[in-house]
Parts: sequence; C-alpha cells; structure tokens
Amino acid sequence: AQSVSQHNHHVILSEAASLELGCNYSYGGTVNLFWYVQYPGQHLQLLLKYFSGDPLVKGIKGFEAEFIKSKFSFNLRKPSVQWSDTAEYFCAVKLGYQKVTFGTGTKLQVIP
Amino acid sequence: SAVISQKPSRDICQRGTSLTIQCQVDSQVTMMFWYRQQPGQSLTLIATANQGSEATYESGFVIDKFPISRPNLTFSTLTVSNMSPEDSSIYLCSVSYASSYNEQFFGPGTRLTVL
Repeated sequence: AQSVSQHNHHVILSEAASLELGCNYSYGGTVNLFWYVQYPGQHLQLLLKYFSGDPLVKGIKGFEAEFIKSKFSFNLRKPSVQWSDTAEYFCAVKLGYQKVTFGTGTKLQVIP
Repeated sequence: SAVISQKPSRDICQRGTSLTIQCQVDSQVTMMFWYRQQPGQSLTLIATANQGSEATYESGFVIDKFPISRPNLTFSTLTVSNMSPEDSSIYLCSVSYASSYNEQFFGPGTRLTVL
C-alpha cells in the first residue's frame, strides 16, 4: 500500500523567510501528487498538482513543488512566506485508480 | 471547481445516538467521498459514495456504523451510528469530476463531538 510521509509536523518561520516542506511517498510507479492547504477556519483547497510533464509545478500564491522521481519526493517551496501563509499543508498521493492517500500534515506558523 | 456545503457544520451529541451529515454539491459530480480527520491525524477515507448502489467502504469501516446514501449526482449523506467519544472528529465530504478524476474538492467539514 502506498504511504505518504511529511517529516515536518510544525514549522515556525518569520515573514520573508524561505519555506520548504518535505513530502516522500512509498511507491515507485506512476503517481499523481498534490499539495492541499487548509487555512484557519477554512476548508481544504488544492494548492498545486503534478500529473506528468515538467517536474517543477507552480501553484497558487507563489508556491511551487518539485517532483523528484529518484527520491520519491514532492517537496513544497516558497521563496518568501507571508503571515497569510499560516495554515496546515497536506501532501497527497494517488496511484492509478487507487484512493488518494494523505500525509499527516504540516502546520506552518508565520510570525510577522 | 465545485461548491460543496455540509450540514451541520458542527454538533455535540450524546453517546449511543446517531447523526446524519449531509453533503450538497452545486453541480453534478462523478465521485463523492467521505473522509474522517481525527485530531492531530491526517485524512482517512471512510468510503466512496456510489450513486444508486451501496457505498464502497475502506478497511476498518463498515456499513452498519457508517451508512451512506447517494440518491443522485449532487447529494450524499453519511450517518455516524451508535456514537462513542472515539467518533469525535471532523467529517469531510469530497468530490471529483470525470474530466479530472484525480483532483478532489473538499467541503467545509462537520465537526462532531461525542460526549
């Protein structure tokens, strides 16, 4: 069965700092990869997704993620975070027609 | 994208009772899913709601405990039966379209507390 690991459970950054959240998955086959974000009091939203093609994916609000097949990773990055990026971030993986498997989430707190 | 509403948004229930959660989508969708998000944990898929037939449950979840209905392409219900404090969680409805079946949209969730 596929699994998703998010190693950072809680990250605290100052505004303008760079962000990288780690995501590793367990399966070596063809996968679809996602990052979802949940802002305080709001529902889960899709931040970005990778299906195929360019392994560097750009999403909303200046976020990007890079799919590195050899490392089974799909890390989320943002060069300069803002206070409004405070949220919980979930990595998710879908293998073929199997269900989507979510990571445990990373809570990001940005200090003004 | 889909606009998904859930009712109720939150509830506090007594042990042994049942609660039915409704999920309404503003457009016809192919797939509807129910997830549970327990405190400090990730999202766990409970079942896939199938229109006009029995839901497909994931390992560890059974129909007697979590009966699901999906009478049409825009509506589904999840019932949490014979509740115990361990059922306290956020329950999320999620949908996807045939045109982009890999991408899922989520509802606002129902926060359930069982005393």
